[in-house]
Amino acid sequence: EAGVVQSPRYKIIEKKQPVAFWCNPISGHNTLYWYRQNLGQGPELLIRYENEEAVDDSQLPKDRFSAERLKGVDSTLKIQPAELGDSAVYLCASSPGGGRGETQYFGPGTRLLVL
Amino acid sequence: SQQGEEDPQALSIQEGENATMNCSYKTSINNLQWYRQNSGRGLVHLILIRSNEREKHSGRLRVTLDTSKKSSSLLITASRAADTASYFCATDDRSNAGKSTFGDGTTLTVKP
Repeated sequence: EAGVVQSPRYKIIEKKQPVAFWCNPISGHNTLYWYRQNLGQGPELLIRYENEEAVDDSQLPKDRFSAERLKGVDSTLKIQPAELGDSAVYLCASSPGGGRGETQYFGPGTRLLVL
Repeated sequence: SQQGEEDPQALSIQEGENATMNCSYKTSINNLQWYRQNSGRGLVHLILIRSNEREKHSGRLRVTLDTSKKSSSLLITASRAADTASYFCATDDRSNAGKSTFGDGTTLTVKP
């Protein structure tokens, strides 16, 4: 079974530039998560989708971050414009959906460096 | 904000020794999970313990949960160099089911 796929793996941009991350979850998984992980810290949830619906985006900085999950499968996370403090690893995870505190399956992450 | 707090922040042991790391949290939970993260990789699920369980085993892993103290521990027995990684606990808050909140992790180094 293929795991969660993320691209790109690494991205270096200058501040004020836009950037986008892509995630393909495990086939059949209805729940998709985007996390941000700063160096030396645990993942922090940005947004959680149940199918196409964003059910928890309370931690998403909506002035510059946006996300979408068209057709309830793939998802993209965008930052526009990027700031120095956005440098972090962006993790995507998926789970089957419908359960409480399910096991999440993580992708390898996208490491973003904003210069 | 992070709910779980792992202790210690870093742990260094010799191969063959046991490693114990602890997690404390603040709210009522449905379950607690432990994940491992190797350097530069995504997180891998290790074990889930529900709020009505006190202890759970999986191979060389033993997890305990004390809901009265709002704490959990992860024990890795007979450690190997390959166990070198960061370990995170994640809690499923009873008031916000479906959302897992991660701690900042314990970095374990197992010396061969």
